[in-house]
Amino acid sequence: DVVMTQSPLSLPVTLGQPASISCRSSQSLVYSDGNTYLSWFQQRPGQSPRRLIYKVSNRDSGVPDRFSGSGSGTDFTLKLSRVEAEDVAVYYCMQGTHWPWTFGQGTKVEIK
Amino acid sequence: EVQLVESGGGLVQPGGSLRLSCAASGFTFSSYRMSWVRQSPGKGLEWVANIKQDGSEKYYVDSVKGRFTLSRDNAKNSLYLQMNSLRAEDTAVYYCARGDQKGTTDYWGQGTLVTVSS
Repeated sequence: DVVMTQSPLSLPVTLGQPASISCRSSQSLVYSDGNTYLSWFQQRPGQSPRRLIYKVSNRDSGVPDRFSGSGSGTDFTLKLSRVEAEDVAVYYCMQGTHWPWTFGQGTKVEIK
Repeated sequence: EVQLVESGGGLVQPGGSLRLSCAASGFTFSSYRMSWVRQSPGKGLEWVANIKQDGSEKYYVDSVKGRFTLSRDNAKNSLYLQMNSLRAEDTAVYYCARGDQKGTTDYWGQGTLVTVSS
């Protein structure tokens, strides 16, 4: 199975400051069709996960543009340009290139 | 509005069975792959199973193969997960999720809690 490794696992941030979460896969996530099926999800306390980003860098409708995704191959990043209070959540990366799909361990973002 | 409503969770003894259901509305159910994803209490997410639009392809995580069976009824806009030989480690909130495109899911339900304990 593809192992997804996120870092850091805990991220205390100051309101208005940027934040970055890394996600590394144990093998390339490039599929035979040339696409890379790497998604990012946000799970606020007590809520179901919500997708933010799909195929590495495509932002879902309604997701603030302060969220951005980047990367390629085995190395990916979710960036928040300016953290707001509503961004307190656990963030997960997920690969959908190889069966079984696998998630990272999650990164908990909290306000300092 | 897309809605996914899970049901069927509860307390079951080890070795027992449960059948989870997911009622879909607000979209053409038969046009989408569907998945189950679970989350153990206080833990991360684990993808469990995925089914193609017409039910002809199914994928499972190794830990549930041979014990869980995924099915769907497109006429009833419903997804099912038959869980047999349940173990303590199957205790989790089970989410139903829609696959809007290859390799990902967009909408998730609110989840249903399965507790396996004697």
